[in-house]
Amino acid sequence: DTEVTQTPKHLVMGMTNKKSLKCEQHMGHRAMYWYKQKAKKPPELMFVYSYEKLSINESVPSRFSPECPNSSLLNLHLHALQPEDSALYLCASSGVPTGANVLTFGAGSRLTVL
Amino acid sequence: QQQVKQSPQSLIVQKGGIPIINCAYENTAFDYFPWYQQFPGKGPALLIAIRPDVSEKKEGRFTISFNKSAKQFSLHIMDSQPGDSATYFCAAKRSGGTSYGKLTFGQGTILTVHP
Repeated sequence: DTEVTQTPKHLVMGMTNKKSLKCEQHMGHRAMYWYKQKAKKPPELMFVYSYEKLSINESVPSRFSPECPNSSLLNLHLHALQPEDSALYLCASSGVPTGANVLTFGAGSRLTVL
Repeated sequence: QQQVKQSPQSLIVQKGGIPIINCAYENTAFDYFPWYQQFPGKGPALLIAIRPDVSEKKEGRFTISFNKSAKQFSLHIMDSQPGDSATYFCAAKRSGGTSYGKLTFGQGTILTVHP
């Protein structure tokens, strides 16, 4: 079992809906990430939180809103998405003891926007 | 400068074969080179990684060869098994500063190992 848990595994939403993706890790990592992955493509970085503060936003549209309530939890709030936002959303974490460079990914949340 | 070029896009081998996946980079500031393995429906998982002060690293059946002067690195899978069938991504990263998690991924290689 992965040590980064993402819920839900699958999400279908309309363009006017508001939904959230959740991520949890208990490895004591202090950096957490959201990546977006389209089919047959590599993951693309969206956001990085370091010590619960947003440190990197890769020019992501405001319809994606990240939140880090504490060092173990990471949320991605979704609002007014477009069909092209359909993708696999991956959460990852890194830090002691595995190392700052070693990203541990969750299994992802498969999002479909109708 | 930020690209990592990966080849081939797909690779088919027989069980016991030695698939080789190649990557090339431009940015000499990169100092950490991991390989990730991803199965359908799963997130990528770190397979093996190398730093540029080492020319080769081996972990089990997986070996990374690194050529710093050519800015290239490759993954070799010895005695490949059907269970190795997955998508493999090379990546590169610059340590420190605000580069947390800013992995630059290659485009991926879909490996199929036939029984």
